[in-house]
Amino acid sequence: DIQMTQSPSSVSASVGDRVTITCRASQGISSWLAWYQQKPGTAPKLLIYAASSLQSGVPSRFSGSGSGTDFTLTISSLQPEDFATYYCQQANSFPLTFGGGTKVEIK
Amino acid sequence: EVQLVESGGGLIQPGGSLRLSCATSGFTVSSNYMSWVRQAPGKGLEWVSIIYSGGSTYYADSVKGRFTISRDNSKNTLYLQMNSLRAEDTAVYYCARDRAGVGATGEDYYYGMDVWGQGTTVTVSS
Repeated sequence: DIQMTQSPSSVSASVGDRVTITCRASQGISSWLAWYQQKPGTAPKLLIYAASSLQSGVPSRFSGSGSGTDFTLTISSLQPEDFATYYCQQANSFPLTFGGGTKVEIK
Repeated sequence: EVQLVESGGGLIQPGGSLRLSCATSGFTVSSNYMSWVRQAPGKGLEWVSIIYSGGSTYYADSVKGRFTISRDNSKNTLYLQMNSLRAEDTAVYYCARDRAGVGATGEDYYYGMDVWGQGTTVTVSS
């Protein structure tokens, strides 16, 4: 199975800050990576697919990059509605696997 | 409007069975890849199973042989039959549409799980 390791597990940031979350795959997954945002008590929401493509309707302050084993999700200017938990997910092979999550908290 | 609505969760004793349903609207379930994803209390996301538009199915090792994914094309509904339930199956179960398939050039593509239901809670406890 491909293990997805996210770091940090949590980050405290202020509105307007630039936030970067990293996701590392235990083996190469090309660009078969998606990022999701989840707020408490709600279903996940797709942000980024194919490592760097922005899902329709998602604000442009979100961006993704990387290929192979190392990926990043960047929020260029954190907004109040961005405080949530973020997950990466690989789709290179079964079983599909998610990272452990990164909680973005208010500083 | 594209929508997924799960139902069928509840409290069940260890060893019991439960069938979850995911009613879809706004698209054709048989033309899409569909997944079940679960989230144990206070934990992260865990993929459970997927069914391809062509009918192929895949499972996480943790549920293989116990869970079965299926769909009813006439009802546009996805199912997850869960047998031999264990305490560790306790979770919120989400159905999701996978934007995936084979492109015009014959190459596979995967664009993420773009639509999710609200989730249904399964609690396995005596």
